[in-house]
Amino acid sequence: EVQLLESGGGLVQPGGSLRLSCVASGFTFSTYAMNWVRQAPGRGPEWVSYIRDSRIHYADSMKGRFTISRDDSKNTLYLQMNSLRVDDTAVYYCAKILRSASADQIFDSWGQGTLVTVSS
Amino acid sequence: EVVLTQSPATLSLSPGEGATLSCRASQSVDNYLVWYQQKPGQAPRLLIYDASNRATGIPARFSGSGSGTDFTLTITNLEPEDFAVYYCQQRKYWPPITFGQGTRLEIK
Repeated sequence: EVQLLESGGGLVQPGGSLRLSCVASGFTFSTYAMNWVRQAPGRGPEWVSYIRDSRIHYADSMKGRFTISRDDSKNTLYLQMNSLRVDDTAVYYCAKILRSASADQIFDSWGQGTLVTVSS
Repeated sequence: EVVLTQSPATLSLSPGEGATLSCRASQSVDNYLVWYQQKPGQAPRLLIYDASNRATGIPARFSGSGSGTDFTLTITNLEPEDFAVYYCQQRKYWPPITFGQGTRLEIK
């Protein structure tokens, strides 16, 4: 059974930093592209970032502030978030794509999410 | 960026009825359209991918159709557990991946 477990969320002041982690199990993590998707309260999902091998993409509003990375030896996905803003407040999910060794952005498994609150 | 517009915003129906949810793209995304279901306090759940392919474990009462710019999610014979928020997502032109704003399916 695929499991994705996020951690690292919390309350942070504007301008602060957080590092999110997502530990994966139940599949061969190294062969799958992974994503971060966030959802602000009462809003729809918003794609944040993608990583597969050395290929990385970000949503425009996160470029230069967020850094996605992964450690395949630890089956773990990371999101380093710097210069946080109030509008970054959201539940952050890690999401696995449907097919291994592909870039087909179909999110078939999601974690339970970790809440990031940016407030003074 | 491809904008996805879902309609209606809210759909009020009774168990046993059928539901038709719409997603319109601002430009053609061929068949690269995905549907998710989300219940309160839960992560989205994959329902349909590439317009018409049911994900593993999804009941046959869920079906998707459409191509280009107009897509439909149809749910026949609504069960109590189907009342949720539904989102569409396009994967043709990315980054960025984009989602619709959602349709809330509520019990009448």
